[in-house]
Amino acid sequence: GAVVSQHPSRVICKSGTSVKIECRSLDFQATTMFWYRQFPKKSLMLMATSNEGSKATYEQGVEKDKFLINHASLTLSTLTVTSAHPEDSSFYICSATTGTGVYEQYFGPGTRLTVT
Amino acid sequence: SQQGEEDPQALSIQEGENATMNCSYKTSINNLQWYRQNSGRGLVHLILIRSNEREKHSGRLRVTLDTSKKSSSLLITASRAADTASYFCATNKGASYDKVIFGPGTSLSVIP
Repeated sequence: GAVVSQHPSRVICKSGTSVKIECRSLDFQATTMFWYRQFPKKSLMLMATSNEGSKATYEQGVEKDKFLINHASLTLSTLTVTSAHPEDSSFYICSATTGTGVYEQYFGPGTRLTVT
Repeated sequence: SQQGEEDPQALSIQEGENATMNCSYKTSINNLQWYRQNSGRGLVHLILIRSNEREKHSGRLRVTLDTSKKSSSLLITASRAADTASYFCATNKGASYDKVIFGPGTSLSVIP
């Protein structure tokens, strides 16, 4: 149980276009989802916390108009990178938690974004 | 801001040896977790230790927590080549919906 999927796993897009990444909890309801960004050989940097039905909470330094997050249901959160630039190229990982006192986060497999 | 700090940043050992990774953090925590990441993949949760616990075991993994020193260690015994991965500690300050902050990680290479 506790499987989180991400789609797509890899995406290449041109500068100036927008890209949407989906994060789904497959067998549980995720009241809270988190979006992370990871540069090569670096740790995960939390971008935002997404609660179902409410606005996401962004970490300091993360542009909310650049990285749009929508958590429309208890099983789906989306991250849209708007007007992507090469510096947005990164590995984006989502995680989900049930919010029922279980502290583990369940991570998706990640999405490799390359902006050309 | 980064909460956990791991050392060493990189560790290379022979198969069969034990691997010890350390993590330090700065603020009070509710629990500390260790994760594993194979290259280019998502994270796998290994073990969680609560702030009122001092030691926890899971298979070949042993985690200790010293809240007075704000540090934790992950010991992998009898390492295998398949243990080659990056290991991250992560801290959580409160409820499950609270954010988890990751340390910079230790890259472990187990040589067959």
